[in-house]
Amino acid sequence: DGGITQSPKYLFRKEGQNVTLSCEQNLNHDAMYWYRQDPGQGLRLIYYSQIVNDFQKGDIAEGYSVSREKKESFPLTVTSAQKNPTAFYLCASSEDSSGYNEQYFGPGTRLTVT
Amino acid sequence: GQNIDQPTEMTATEGAIVQINCTYQTSGFNGLFWYQQHAGEAPTFLSYNVLDGLEEKGRFSSFLSRSKGYSYLLLKELQMKDSASYLCAVRLINTGTASKLTFGTGTRLQVTL
Repeated sequence: DGGITQSPKYLFRKEGQNVTLSCEQNLNHDAMYWYRQDPGQGLRLIYYSQIVNDFQKGDIAEGYSVSREKKESFPLTVTSAQKNPTAFYLCASSEDSSGYNEQYFGPGTRLTVT
Repeated sequence: GQNIDQPTEMTATEGAIVQINCTYQTSGFNGLFWYQQHAGEAPTFLSYNVLDGLEEKGRFSSFLSRSKGYSYLLLKELQMKDSASYLCAVRLINTGTASKLTFGTGTRLQVTL
């Protein structure tokens, strides 16, 4: 079955630690995206990647980093510089970044930092 | 800047019809998506409009007026499982080839008996 996987579903970390959230897709999609979702707010774009070895900052990239070494994988690192890291993180992919292509979302990772 | 407005919450009765509105002020508009999201789960795609008019897909329809910066999602024959958040997202044209989405805050729909 094709789809997007994110692991783990729940993640707990202490303040000051970096943490990496995984996102893998087997849909052969070129474009991948990371969003965060907070209560009462819409999804906000953190980073996106149009193609392997390329990525762009979204609207709220500060305190985050990404890599895109393989087409299937787009991990997100939440660094200690991110002031409010506790959130629901969603990864998405789309066939390519031009034209009409819906984004498919993974199940999300709920990160809690204390 | 980009601004997308949706009502925060709505309540409707099972079997009824409900219309969820979305208004937007954006530059470089290139289409509007509606997604459904059940609590704690991933959003799932419902519809996409890029031209003015109504797109119908089973019990769900979506309408777009580009000149008015307005869209709505119409849900007919409501079922309890339709209780979810409905997210309006505008697709923007970027200077590169990327196609970014800007999301509204979502409308939480509660379907009651």
